[in-house]
Amino acid sequence: GENVEQHPSTLSVQEGDSAVIKCTYSDSASNYFPWYKQELGKGPQLIIDIRSNVGEKKDQRIAVTLNKTAKHFSLHITETQPEDSAVYFCAASDEVTGGGNKLTFGTGTQLKVEL
Amino acid sequence: ETGVTQSPTHLIKTRGQQVTLRCSSQSGHNTVSWYQQALGQGPQFIFQYYREEENGRGNFPPRFSGLQFPNNSSELNVNALELDDSALYLCASSSGQGTGELFFGEGSRLTVL
Repeated sequence: GENVEQHPSTLSVQEGDSAVIKCTYSDSASNYFPWYKQELGKGPQLIIDIRSNVGEKKDQRIAVTLNKTAKHFSLHITETQPEDSAVYFCAASDEVTGGGNKLTFGTGTQLKVEL
Repeated sequence: ETGVTQSPTHLIKTRGQQVTLRCSSQSGHNTVSWYQQALGQGPQFIFQYYREEENGRGNFPPRFSGLQFPNNSSELNVNALELDDSALYLCASSSGQGTGELFFGEGSRLTVL
């Protein structure tokens, strides 16, 4: 089955700096890679996703890059703000055979944005 | 548009007991999936229901079972509870079987003593 590794487990940045979180996956059949943000006491919320036919996707301060050959993908947050503080999870799935709802999640990154 | 709601938010059970967790999907969604999130870990896929049928299952034993009802609400049942079942159980709904965004509820926190 799929295995997703995520680094770092904790990340502390100063407000306004950039934050980068990296994930690797094992199953070459995976073709859908979402990123979720989970605030304390809440369920995960999708912030951006990318499919394997695209190498990069950007949405305002958030961008995701995908390297299919190396089987890794990354989340980039620029101009970080205190409200970006949360746990971030990467995930992977094979939408064709596994169904996009069967996500394999990484272990999470606790991002802290300090004033 | 109402989001995904789950009940109860917290509950405590003892080993060997049975538990039922409930989920109401987001309006217009016909697929529901359940995830188990242990403390400090990422969610783990339990199973998915589409049109009241289970159509995908993760690496969980048969004592984890579910139901999806015609109104797209759902239940997760766990029999013979074990200490390791202590976790946050998340329900997620979506508008299709295999693509698109999952909308998660806030979860049910189960503690097994």
